[in-house]
Amino acid sequence: GESVGLHLPTLSVQEGDNSIINCAYSNSASDYFIWYKQESGKGPQFIIDIRSNMDKRQGQRVTVLLNKTVKHLSLQIAATQPGDSAVYFCAENESGYSTLTFGKGTMLLVSP
Amino acid sequence: DGGITQSPKYLFRKEGQNVTLSCEQNLNHDAMYWYRQDPGQGLRLIYYSQIVNDFQKGDIAEGYSVSREKKESFPLTVTSAQKNPTAFYLCATRDRGTVDEQFFGPGTRLTVL
Repeated sequence: GESVGLHLPTLSVQEGDNSIINCAYSNSASDYFIWYKQESGKGPQFIIDIRSNMDKRQGQRVTVLLNKTVKHLSLQIAATQPGDSAVYFCAENESGYSTLTFGKGTMLLVSP
Repeated sequence: DGGITQSPKYLFRKEGQNVTLSCEQNLNHDAMYWYRQDPGQGLRLIYYSQIVNDFQKGDIAEGYSVSREKKESFPLTVTSAQKNPTAFYLCATRDRGTVDEQFFGPGTRLTVL
C-alpha cells in the first residue's frame, strides 16, 4: 500500500486503550474542523467534524475537542481496535473559503 | 470512497512525458479538488473547481493542468514541467450547497521512471 506514514509522528497503543491524537491549527479565523482517517493505499475517510461554536462533539467511539484559545484540536478514540490503525489528519476551513488546510497527520498503531 | 472513481490505481510514466489522471464522480457535487500526497506530509492542494468551466490554482499548481468540461469529471494532467511528479494523487468532491466536508476518491499512485 501507499507509505503515507513515513516520518509521521506515531502513537502506539494497545488494543482496548483510549487514544488521543492532537492537532494544532494555524488560522484563528477557521471555524470548521474535520478529522479524517486514511488507511494504507486508500483515500481519506471522514470521521467527525466540529464547528467553532462548539467545544466538544461525540460520535460512535470518537470524540473531538476544540480549544479555540490555543488553536488546538484533539481526537479521542475509545477502546481502540486494531482496525483503527491508520494515519489521522485534521483539516480546517474558514467560512467563505472553499478549500481545506490539512495537518501533516499522525500514524496510530494498535497492537493486539 | 463513495461515488468517486480514480483511474488507474497505479500509473507509470517515463520522464519527460505528460500523463492524465482521471477523476469521475456521480455524487452530483459542484466542487472538485486535486491533492498531492508525499510520504510524511499532509495533503497539498494542486487545483480546484467550484463549477463547470471554472477552476483555480491551489498551493502547488506549477507543472499541472486541469479542465472541467463536465460536472462529473475533473482530469488532472501532470506535465513534463513538474520536477518531481512521483506521488500519490487524490481527488475529492464537495457539495457546496450543504456541508463543508470533502469526500475522497481511492487515489492514483504515479511513478516516474
